[in-house]
Amino acid sequence: QQQVRQSPQSLTVWEGGTTVLTCSYEDSTFNYFPWYQQFPGEGPALLISILSVSDKKEDGRFTTFFNKREKKLSLHIIDSQPGDSATYFCAASPYSGGSNYKLTFGKGTLLTVTP
Amino acid sequence: DAGVTQTPRHEVAEKGQTIILKCEPVSGHNDLFWYRQTKIQGLELLSYFRSKSLMEDGGAFKDRFKAEMLNSSFSTLKIQPTEPKDSAVYLCASSRLGGRDTGQLYFGEGSKLTVL
Repeated sequence: QQQVRQSPQSLTVWEGGTTVLTCSYEDSTFNYFPWYQQFPGEGPALLISILSVSDKKEDGRFTTFFNKREKKLSLHIIDSQPGDSATYFCAASPYSGGSNYKLTFGKGTLLTVTP
Repeated sequence: DAGVTQTPRHEVAEKGQTIILKCEPVSGHNDLFWYRQTKIQGLELLSYFRSKSLMEDGGAFKDRFKAEMLNSSFSTLKIQPTEPKDSAVYLCASSRLGGRDTGQLYFGEGSKLTVL
């Protein structure tokens, strides 16, 4: 059973455009939702995260939205750049401030930004 | 601070061999994780250590996979015997409790294993 579903699997956008990645989850105990970015040959790195008490978090060109009722979240990248080309993973966990070992990852979205 | 260091970066093994992958977590981190990454299954948790104690040993991986943490700054993942289906990227990650980045996973660059 896949607890965290991501879509689309891959996406191509033009430089300067807006990228929208989406994620849905099933477990109601999930309350922490990070997005990780992975470049080829590297490990994933935290991009942005949100707790279920918030519905929006912004960091520069990256914004994540959270909808608790629908159990969905999204990542928006405005003014997308070729350097944003990477695989993006959403994840979820019932994080309580302690260890995050129950983090469940989606299968990722491969983003290509074309100049 | 240095990030998570994994060695080797690439490993090619014959079916049935034993391989050992190594990881040095970020200094001062309490938690260490081993993940397997494939295109089909994505990121799967293999093992989780808290302050060197094994807390989670992924059920499906128990029989041929063994992770150990000999001290707070070094961990190994042994696969014995290897099978072609073990071909994947093995990622090590660490995190710390407390502080601004509590719970955030810091990943190494991974060890790519190919089993022939």
